[in-house]
Amino acid sequence: EIVLTQSPGALSLSPGERATLSCRASQSVSSSYLAWYQQKPGQAPRLLIYGASSRATGIPDRFSGSGSGTDFTLTISRLEPEDFAVYYCQQYSNSPPLCSFGQGTKLEIK
Amino acid sequence: EVQLVQSGAEVKKPGESLTISCKGSGYSFTTYWINWVRQMPGKGLEWMGRIDPSDSYTNYSPSFQGHVTISADKSISTAYLQWSSLKASDTAMYYCARRSFYYDSSGFRYYFDYWGQGTLVTVSS
Repeated sequence: EIVLTQSPGALSLSPGERATLSCRASQSVSSSYLAWYQQKPGQAPRLLIYGASSRATGIPDRFSGSGSGTDFTLTISRLEPEDFAVYYCQQYSNSPPLCSFGQGTKLEIK
Repeated sequence: EVQLVQSGAEVKKPGESLTISCKGSGYSFTTYWINWVRQMPGKGLEWMGRIDPSDSYTNYSPSFQGHVTISADKSISTAYLQWSSLKASDTAMYYCARRSFYYDSSGFRYYFDYWGQGTLVTVSS
């Protein structure tokens, strides 16, 4: 089973600043199967990035994803007030079809 | 419009059985796998398993294998998550999510593009 470790666990930044969130896998993950989600309190998660670097429909271009192998990054170029939330990375392997999430990074307003 | 609508919140006692549901609409239900995800209070997301509604083939996370059963009725575009004997530790929010896919020259990409609103299950004596 692939374990995803996100860092930092929490990040305090101000609106307008740049956020860099990390996701490290215990073994190599195909970038095709790496996604990022945003979750706000009381809401279901929302897809941000799939295939490690492709933005989902309607996601602003201040969100970007990168990485390969075991190291992946979600970058928010200029934080807006609505970006403060918890972010999860996810890998979905196809053979066998198994999925795992990172433990999450909480992005807080400084 | 694609929607996944889950059944309402449940309050149960330890040892009781429970089935919660997730109804898809606005798309071909048999084309996309449905996944179930647990979120315990104040904690992160945990993948439980998935079902292919076209043939009801399932895969489970090792952590949940034998503790829950995932099923589907494609005639009514609904997936289910079932417990035969609840424990207090099953108290959590449960989400269903559609696994979508995208194919290009680099191959397939898989992701959860639509999520249900969540079903809160509380197990307490």
